[in-house]
Amino acid sequence: EIVMTQSPATLSVSPGERATLSCRASQSVSSDLAWYQQKPGQAPRLLIYDASTRATGIPARFSGSGSGTEFTLTISGLQSEDFAVYYCQQYNNWPPLTFGGGTKVEIK
Amino acid sequence: QVQLVQSGAEVKKPGASVKVSCKASGYTFTSYSLHWVRQAPGQRLEWMGWISGIGETKYSQNFQGRVTFTSDRSASTVHMELSSLRSEDTAVYYCVRPVNYRDYIDYWGPGTLVTVSS
Repeated sequence: EIVMTQSPATLSVSPGERATLSCRASQSVSSDLAWYQQKPGQAPRLLIYDASTRATGIPARFSGSGSGTEFTLTISGLQSEDFAVYYCQQYNNWPPLTFGGGTKVEIK
Repeated sequence: QVQLVQSGAEVKKPGASVKVSCKASGYTFTSYSLHWVRQAPGQRLEWMGWISGIGETKYSQNFQGRVTFTSDRSASTVHMELSSLRSEDTAVYYCVRPVNYRDYIDYWGPGTLVTVSS
């Protein structure tokens, strides 16, 4: 099973600043990596797939990068609606599909 | 548009079983698999398995023997039954539809809260 590790667990950022979230896989997942945003009481929402492709309707301030075992989600110019929990997920080698433990982006 | 509508919240006692349903619409039901993912309080998302559009199943080893997926194609509905419930099974259970052959998840159901408590 591929283990996904996200860091940091919590990120405190001021509105308008940049947030950089990391996701590491225990073995290479090529570019088969997705990012999701989850707000309280809601299901996760797909942001990024194939490590760097934005999903339909996702603003350009969200960008993804990386391949192999190291990935980054960058949110440029954080807006109030961006404060949420973010998860990464690998779909290269499954079952099982595996998710990271999440990074909570909170208002500084 | 694609929609996944799940059944309502459940409260169960330890040792009991729970059955959660997921009705799909907005696409050809038999053309996509549906997966189940759960999220316990404060825990990461956990994949439970999938059922294909024609009823084939694959279960996570973590739930093997305790979970059963079934499908009613006439109603475009899948069901997830989890048995021998314990307190650690308290979670929100999501029905999700990944992109075919890519397996990132573009559609999520709203989730069903299952609480296991004596």
